[in-house]
Amino acid sequence: AQTVTQSQPEMSVQEAETVTLSCTYDTSESNYYLFWYKQPPSRQMILVIRQEAYKQQNATENRFSVNFQKAAKSFSLKISDSQLGDTAMYFCAFMKHASGGSNYKLTFGKGTLLTVNP
Amino acid sequence: EPEVTQTPSHQVTQMGQEVILRCVPISNHLYFYWYRQILGQKVEFLVSFYNNEISEKSEIFDDQFSVERPDGSNFTLKIRSTKLEDSAMYFCAGRTGRYEQYFGPGTRLTVT
Repeated sequence: AQTVTQSQPEMSVQEAETVTLSCTYDTSESNYYLFWYKQPPSRQMILVIRQEAYKQQNATENRFSVNFQKAAKSFSLKISDSQLGDTAMYFCAFMKHASGGSNYKLTFGKGTLLTVNP
Repeated sequence: EPEVTQTPSHQVTQMGQEVILRCVPISNHLYFYWYRQILGQKVEFLVSFYNNEISEKSEIFDDQFSVERPDGSNFTLKIRSTKLEDSAMYFCAGRTGRYEQYFGPGTRLTVT
């Protein structure tokens, strides 16, 4: 079974600064996907960024980027120019590539609560 | 941009009662999921559904739970006889043939 570990229960950052959230995972699979989801106080789960394990290039989405280290099984999220609206719980998630494609269930970490201070 | 919707946003029920949580996925989604998040804990997979069948279910998804897609648009989760420990946020998610899942806003279930 896969496990996802987020070792930072809470973090804070000043507005406009950069912050990095850590995530490690454990799997024997070679083909998989990794995600960061954001959950603001409204509780909606919002997909922030995705990474395919077979791609060496780190994914970026505007102010959000990842540092994917496959050998180390590490998948950190960097948020640049932090904004007040980035305040949320951030979940790292793992998805095993499933032949036939019918499953693709997500396994989540426990989350990191990020507070952006003005 | 189309979104996954869920109703109700909050449901309060008494222990032992049946509840049905409803989800309307995005129209081009083919695969559907239910996840649960007990307050303060991580999000857990319950069940996946494709082609009108359950693809996979977790240990949590016991005989008290069922899912169906009765009319080709709604996707429902039924809990037959609720327990206190069923109190949680329930998220519906869907995807196309690609792997990214898109979540609804969730239904907060409170069992008293």
